[in-house]
Amino acid sequence: EVQLVESGGGLVQPGGSLRLSCAASGFTFRTYSMNWVRQAPGKGLEWVSYISSSSDDLYYADSVKGRFTISRDSAKNSLYLQMNSLRVEDTAVYYCVRERGAWFDPWGQGTLVTVSS
Amino acid sequence: EIVLTQSPATLSLSPGERATLSCRASQSVSSHLAWYQQKPGQAPRLFIYDASNRATGIPARFSGSGSGTDFTLTISSLEPEDFAVYYCQQRSRWPKTFGQGTKVEIK
Repeated sequence: EVQLVESGGGLVQPGGSLRLSCAASGFTFRTYSMNWVRQAPGKGLEWVSYISSSSDDLYYADSVKGRFTISRDSAKNSLYLQMNSLRVEDTAVYYCVRERGAWFDPWGQGTLVTVSS
Repeated sequence: EIVLTQSPATLSLSPGERATLSCRASQSVSSHLAWYQQKPGQAPRLFIYDASNRATGIPARFSGSGSGTDFTLTISSLEPEDFAVYYCQQRSRWPKTFGQGTKVEIK
C-alpha cells in the first residue's frame, strides 16, 4: 500500500522557519516526481512546489519562490520542504503528493503549519 | 496562470439525484484536467484524470467529460458517501492550478 506521512508542522512566528518531511513507502520512491500542495483553513487547494524524480527539475509557486526549497533523499525515501521567512498567509495544511501520470495521486494526510505571533 | 472557475459553488441535492458540476478554464487545457474529491478532515483523492478517465476504485456512477475550456463532472445517482467537495485541476501549463471547489451537500 502506498503511504505518504508528513511531519514537521507546528506553530511558528512570522519570519521564522520550518522544515517539513514526508516519509514515503509502498512504492519505488526514486522513480516518481513529488509535490507539496497546501490548503489554508476553510479554503481551496494551492500547488506549492514540484521536484522531479532525479531532482533535476524544481518548480515553485510564485507565492513561495525564494522562500521555500524542495528536496528529496531517495536513500531515505523522503521528501522535504524547507520553509523560510514564513508569513501569516503561509498558514495551511501541507500535503505531500506523489505524481502519477502528471496527476496528484495519492496524497498524504497533511501536516498543519500555523504562522502567528 | 490558467484560472479554473467551478460552478456552482454549492449544489444541494438529495440521494439518488443526478449531480452536474462544471469547470471552466481561462484558456484551453486540452484534455489535461482532473477531478478530486475531498471529505471533511481528509486529504483530496483523485477521481477523474485526463478529463474522462476514472481513477482506480472509482465507481461507474462518476463520469467526466469535456475538452478545451469546458468540463463537466457528472454523478449519475448520488450515494450518501458522495456528498463532499470536488475540485478540478489542470496540468496543461505550470503552475498547476485548481478550481475553487464545488460543495455537494445534502438537501
